Amino acid sequence: RKEVEQDPGPFNVPEGATVAFNCTYSNSASQSFFWYRQDCRKEPKLLMSVYSSGNEDGRFTAQLNRASQYISLLIRDSKLSDSATYLCVVRYRHSGSARQLTFGSGTQLTVLP
Amino acid sequence: IAGITQAPTSQILAAGRRMTLRCTQDMRHNAMYWYRQDLGLGLRLIHYSNTAGTTGKGEVPDGYSVSRANTDDFPLTLASAVPSQTSVYFCASSDSAGTQYFGPGTRLTVL
Repeated sequence: RKEVEQDPGPFNVPEGATVAFNCTYSNSASQSFFWYRQDCRKEPKLLMSVYSSGNEDGRFTAQLNRASQYISLLIRDSKLSDSATYLCVVRYRHSGSARQLTFGSGTQLTVLP
Repeated sequence: IAGITQAPTSQILAAGRRMTLRCTQDMRHNAMYWYRQDLGLGLRLIHYSNTAGTTGKGEVPDGYSVSRANTDDFPLTLASAVPSQTSVYFCASSDSAGTQYFGPGTRLTVL
C-alpha cells in the first residue's frame, strides 16, 4: 500500500464548478500536510499547507482529518488556469531527516471552457 | 541566479555512461533533495542532504550518488546509467519551515 494515496483522475470540470480532491495517508505519525500544484512538464510548487483546523486561501480550502487520516482540497469557482496536477504531500519524522516529504502520485484536473 | 537551477534541461545518454546532474540554489537553504518522477509513481526521494558535508539515502538510492561540498551545490551522479533510470529528475531545497522549493527538472533518457 502506498503511503499517500490519491485518486489519479482525471477530473474534467466546467469553468465555475466546485471540485474536491481527497487523499489518504497511512502513517499515523505524519506531522505536516501540504498540497502542491504541478503544471505539465514543470516543477511542483507549494499551493498551501493544511492545518488541523482547516484553512482557506481564496478559492481553495484545505481540510485535515487526523482520525481518518485523510486530507482534502476544495476548489471553488474553477478557472481555466486551475488545470494542473495536484499533489498531496505528507511529512513525518524519518530517522535520517526530519524534513522529508512523501508525495502522492497526483490528481489531474482539467477545467473546460 | 534566483531560486534553484538545474542542468542540463534534458539529456539523452547511452547505457553504461556516467552522468552528473547539477543543482545549485542561492537561497542558503541547509537541506537539499533529489527526486525522480515517473508516470503513475509520483515523486520518489533518491538522496538528501540535511546540511553541507552530510548526505543520506532516500527511497530509491541504488545506482545514484551525491555529494554536498558546500551549501549551494548538490550534484547527482549516475555512475553507469541504465534504461530504468530514464525519468525526470527534480532537485529541491527546503527553508527553515520545511517548505520545499523545486528546480525546473532534468529530463533524462537512457538508451
